Formats: sequence, structure tokens, C-alpha cells
Amino acid sequence: GQQLNQSPQSMFIQEGEDVSMNCTSSSIFNTWLWYKQDPGEGPVLLIALYKAGELTSNGRLTAQFGITRKDSFLNISASIPSDVGIYFCAGHLNTGTASKLTFGTGTRLQVTL
Amino acid sequence: SAVISQKPSRDICQRGTSLTIQCQVDSQVTMMFWYRQQPGQSLTLIATANQGSEATYESGFVIDKFPISRPNLTFSTLTVSNMSPEDSSIYLCSVVQESYNEQFFGPGTRLTVL
Repeated sequence: GQQLNQSPQSMFIQEGEDVSMNCTSSSIFNTWLWYKQDPGEGPVLLIALYKAGELTSNGRLTAQFGITRKDSFLNISASIPSDVGIYFCAGHLNTGTASKLTFGTGTRLQVTL
Repeated sequence: SAVISQKPSRDICQRGTSLTIQCQVDSQVTMMFWYRQQPGQSLTLIATANQGSEATYESGFVIDKFPISRPNLTFSTLTVSNMSPEDSSIYLCSVVQESYNEQFFGPGTRLTVL
């Protein structure tokens, strides 16, 4: 089946630094989604990307849908302590008869003051 | 986005028993899903909950172990049957609303099996 490789697995950064993480797939997707999960909570949707090459921002977050449709990256600028959490990429492939979201392995972000 | 609630939020259960998790959405949604997240892991799709028909299960998950109901467009249940410690996980309800490609998650049910 499809697999999403997400890197890095974890990051320790200082407050104010920029963060970059990415996902690569063995297959193409129609949509790329980025989620953040806080401890004890469900994942929260941050950004959705719908077109190859699309670059989308949401506040300090910027994400891009790769031209090949097999990869995506998420950048966080000027990190703050509340950015701590686990970030998941997810690829969506809607074949018409089935709709399935495949998740990446996650990037654990820790921010130090 | 849809507001999704799950009950219970957490539970501790004995081996061999069953637990039913409820998922309620504040609006009608086209699709509902159930995921499992084992400790320190990513999310794995268990099944798609189909309204008015049997759920569609992913490889490795079977109806006898994880029976699912979806009586209407806003509610679904997942039962974890004959539990063992390996079933200790977070179980998450997820929905697709309007746009076919944006998917939202409930807060999860944290299950511990002793």
C-alpha cells in the first residue's frame, strides 16, 4: 500500500527559529493535508493543498504541494512555545469509489525558550 | 468545520470485555471514518462507516473485532470487542464535510486494556 515518509522524525529548536518538515510518497495524491496533534487531543487540520505546485499560507505556516504530486513541505516561521506538538502530513486520493487518507509518520516538534 | 464529540474520552477496561465508542457530529457529513493511533505512532484507518450499510474495513481489521454502526448522517459507533492489552490505543472518529478532501477529527477516546 501507499506509504508516506515524513522527516525529520523529531526536532528541537529555539523559540524564534524557522522550522521545515516534508513528506514524500511512493504514489501521487489529489490533496495534501497537514495536521497538528497536541497531547491528548485529536489532530487539527492546519492547511489543505489541492493543486500540484500550490503554495498556501496560514499565518506563520506555509505549505506547498509538490509538482510531482508525490511530496509536500510545511514551514513554520518564528516558532513559539505553543507550536510544540506532533505534525502529520496526510495524502488524500479520491478514486470516485473510495476516499482514503494516508498519514505520514509524524514530526515531533519541541521548542525551547 | 464540523464539531465532533466522542464518548467516552477515556476508559480503562478489563481483558475480554467490550467497549462501544460513540461519535456525534453537529452537522450532516458525507463520510465518517474510524482510526486507531497506537502509542507513539501515526494514525491507521480501521474502517469507513457507511450510513445504512455495513462498514468498509481496511486490511487487518475485521467486523467481528470492530463492529461499526452508522444509523444516520451525524452519528456512528465503534465497538472494540473481546479486548486485549494490544487494543490499548487512541480511537479517533473522523469526518469529511462538504469538500471531499478536507477531513476533520474528533478528540479521540483513549483506551487502556489491563
